[in-house]
Amino acid sequence: QQPVQSPQAVILREGEDAVINCSSSKALYSVHWYRQKHGEAPVFLMILLKGGEQKGHDKISASFNEKKQQSSLYLTASQLSYSGTYFCGTEQRSDSWGKLQFGAGTQVVVTP
Amino acid sequence: GAGVSQSPRYKVTKRGQDVALRCDPISGHVSLYWYRQALGQGPEFLTYFNYEAQQDKSGLPNDRFSAERPEGSISTLTIQRTEQRDSAMYRCASSDGQGSYEQYFGPGTRLTVT
Repeated sequence: QQPVQSPQAVILREGEDAVINCSSSKALYSVHWYRQKHGEAPVFLMILLKGGEQKGHDKISASFNEKKQQSSLYLTASQLSYSGTYFCGTEQRSDSWGKLQFGAGTQVVVTP
Repeated sequence: GAGVSQSPRYKVTKRGQDVALRCDPISGHVSLYWYRQALGQGPEFLTYFNYEAQQDKSGLPNDRFSAERPEGSISTLTIQRTEQRDSAMYRCASSDGQGSYEQYFGPGTRLTVT
């Protein structure tokens, strides 16, 4: 039931774009995205809910294709601060109360 | 304001000993989650609470693991008769709503069982 993330790792130059994908074998109610820097706690980026509502407060954008049970996170004009490991967390039901199954993560390295 | 805090930050214990890990969520947060995170992996759900009620404990690996949140604030995750395979980072997170809200993670407790 753990979602599958791809790619496992990506190296970018500052200013380049990247897409991180998260897919599930089961229907999803919501997808949550977090970023974790080395030695630190995961930090919230975005929530995408079934029905199209999106909650977030960063310049990083995301999409949620309910039919394909997939979500994508878009890193546009990447900055050095975007480096870290990105995790998607999926919720299968509206009454899951925020119980998340996290993927294995995508490591992003942004170089000058 | 103050974020989620956890104590101790590091715990080394001998196999067979019991350990108690504490989580102090953000004040007023309704929901509290416990995760275990292996190196290089995403957080693995263990259990969660809404107020003082434990809503789901399906992620607890076995009956040596238990958690409580008696007054709906601070929570304790207890591992009895620790084994080497219990070594991991244990994180808690809290959120200010019931359901799909952003979760604020604590710094974690690094548990090492020798």
